[in-house]
Amino acid sequence: NAGVTQTPKFRILKIGQSMTLQCTQDMNHNYMYWYRQDPGMGLKLIYYSVGAGITDKGEVPNGYNVSRSTTEDFPLRLELAAPSQTSVYFCASPTPSGEAFFGQGTRLTVV
Amino acid sequence: AQRVTQPEKLLSVFKGAPVELKCNYSYSGSPELFWYVQYSRQRLQLLLRHISRESIKGFTADLNKGETSFHLKKPFAQEEDSAMYYCALSGRPGGGNKLTFGTGTQLKVEL
Repeated sequence: NAGVTQTPKFRILKIGQSMTLQCTQDMNHNYMYWYRQDPGMGLKLIYYSVGAGITDKGEVPNGYNVSRSTTEDFPLRLELAAPSQTSVYFCASPTPSGEAFFGQGTRLTVV
Repeated sequence: AQRVTQPEKLLSVFKGAPVELKCNYSYSGSPELFWYVQYSRQRLQLLLRHISRESIKGFTADLNKGETSFHLKKPFAQEEDSAMYYCALSGRPGGGNKLTFGTGTQLKVEL
């Protein structure tokens, strides 16, 4: 049982480039989240989804987009990368009892 | 709005000393509180949740609604406890209401 799988692990982007961070869960959970982790700032919620076809903004959605066409997948899209988006990104999916399973993280650097 | 505060960015203790990682929260209803841990080069994982009232790896945490606190405690720190600890809050049973994280406390256990 893989849990939550994120790809890629590392990526360097140039300013203005776009990319998609992939997130897949095989636990058949309804909820999925995207967080970014910045030093000394904890985890900030970017977007979340309560089920296929339903997404909503978190605390820091600007510069990002998401989609949820299936229960399993919740990709995060950066359209025009900016240095402020340099961060570590985590995808997570909670069980019905509230335990969140996290992906391994994606370390993104925008130069 | 829900908010989690972890006042210490870094806590350094000697092996065998007691540990207390502080967490205070703000929420108008009845929250669910969690502690997550991130060991070096590993993904975030659940350490414990208040509703279970359990001890994991010697750690315990009691929800104090009067003081709106959920401090994490361990009587005797071990070297392997060195990690990043995050307190998190969910405003709805099952964690379906997005988890809000504190800024985290880095615990360093010295020999």
